[in-house]
Amino acid sequence: SQTIHQWPATLVQPVGSPLSLECTVEGTSNPNLYWYRQAAGRGLQLLFYSVGIGQISSEVPQNLSASRPQDRQFILSSKKLLLSDSGFYLCAWTIGNTEAFFGQGTRLTVV
Amino acid sequence: RKEVEQDPGPFNVPEGATVAFNCTYSNSASQSFFWYRQDCRKEPKLLMSVYSSGNEDGRFTAQLNRASQYISLLIRDSKLSDSATYLCVVPVGHKFYFGSGTKLNVKP
Repeated sequence: SQTIHQWPATLVQPVGSPLSLECTVEGTSNPNLYWYRQAAGRGLQLLFYSVGIGQISSEVPQNLSASRPQDRQFILSSKKLLLSDSGFYLCAWTIGNTEAFFGQGTRLTVV
Repeated sequence: RKEVEQDPGPFNVPEGATVAFNCTYSNSASQSFFWYRQDCRKEPKLLMSVYSSGNEDGRFTAQLNRASQYISLLIRDSKLSDSATYLCVVPVGHKFYFGSGTKLNVKP
């Protein structure tokens, strides 16, 4: 069966520090991969998606970046965090337009 | 215009009530639709998929109206455990767009 792992679960980082969040999927090949952010009390905002290794599409301008070095690995990064980067970050995968499955999320607080 | 729009609620209903949420979408080419449930501080989890006119699973019924471009979710005989935020999801190409969610509070 397919599983998705996302870590860490919780992170507190100072403003200006770098960020690296990792997501890996098991049990499937060639998934579409996604990074979403959810601010407190708000909906999910699509940040990046990827349909293959090295292929990244960005949805919103920001100081975040994403990379997909392997088929089932998706990484979200920042060189310098801002206070506004705080939120709940969720990784998800799909095959085609079937339902999306989410990791357990990373709750990031920038202080 | 947003790709997906939902009434944020909250909907406060007593146990046993029937409640319905609507979701409108802007891309008429969308073919599949989903309802997710999200509990507080947790990841969203799939509740129902809608690929044609509708879908039913126990107390939950999802309906699709392509002409008016909306999807509805009906919950019958509400339980306390149904309290959560319900998210409407519409894929557009490779992108999955989420509504902002409708919060449901079921009270004893």
